[in-house]
Amino acid sequence: DSGVTQTPKHLITATGQRVTLRCSPRSGDLSVYWYQQSLDQGLQFLIQYYNGEERAKGNILERFSAQQFPDLHSELNLSSLELGDSALYFCASSELAGGSYNEQFFGPGTRLTVL
Amino acid sequence: GENVEQHPSTLSVQEGDSAVIKCTYSDSASNYFPWYKQELGKRPQLIIDIRSNVGEKKDQRIAVTLNKTAKHFSLHITETQPEDSAVYFCAASKYDTDKLIFGTGTRLQVFP
Repeated sequence: DSGVTQTPKHLITATGQRVTLRCSPRSGDLSVYWYQQSLDQGLQFLIQYYNGEERAKGNILERFSAQQFPDLHSELNLSSLELGDSALYFCASSELAGGSYNEQFFGPGTRLTVL
Repeated sequence: GENVEQHPSTLSVQEGDSAVIKCTYSDSASNYFPWYKQELGKRPQLIIDIRSNVGEKKDQRIAVTLNKTAKHFSLHITETQPEDSAVYFCAASKYDTDKLIFGTGTRLQVFP
């Protein structure tokens, strides 16, 4: 157990819908990262938050957004869902951000299925 | 752009043999290189990492080597066991951003 929690474990929804994925980082970790894992794209970095502020952005679609709250948990919002958004979404956390070698610990993931 | 290539995509070995997975990165500013093991349907788990100021690191049966000049790094598993069977991902990140750029993964199968 990495100490990173994600809910829900599974999510099944229809095209066009909107969902919210939730992540709680390890105790003491200030950085949260979101990654998407699909069969054809592998593990792709989406976005990073550090202590409530957006720090880095990857190939995140405009239909996707995220935020980190004062208690450091983070939510990833996916809207206007398409079939191709079906994937495993992982959250990871690390203690710091930038300037150091930050080990990232992954949560168990949320499996999103869009029908 | 940033890219990490990983080879081979699949690797089958006999129990007790060694396994080697190789990665090449494109961004010379990369300075941190972790390796993750992912079992089917589970989260990626950090198994070993290496920093750019070190050429080799070992942890029991697992070792990682880094050649900064060639922008190569490799994972070596000795005395493989069936429980080593999983998908292994290499990754790279750099000093001013923590985002991990992952390789495409290697499916390792260890046969008893």
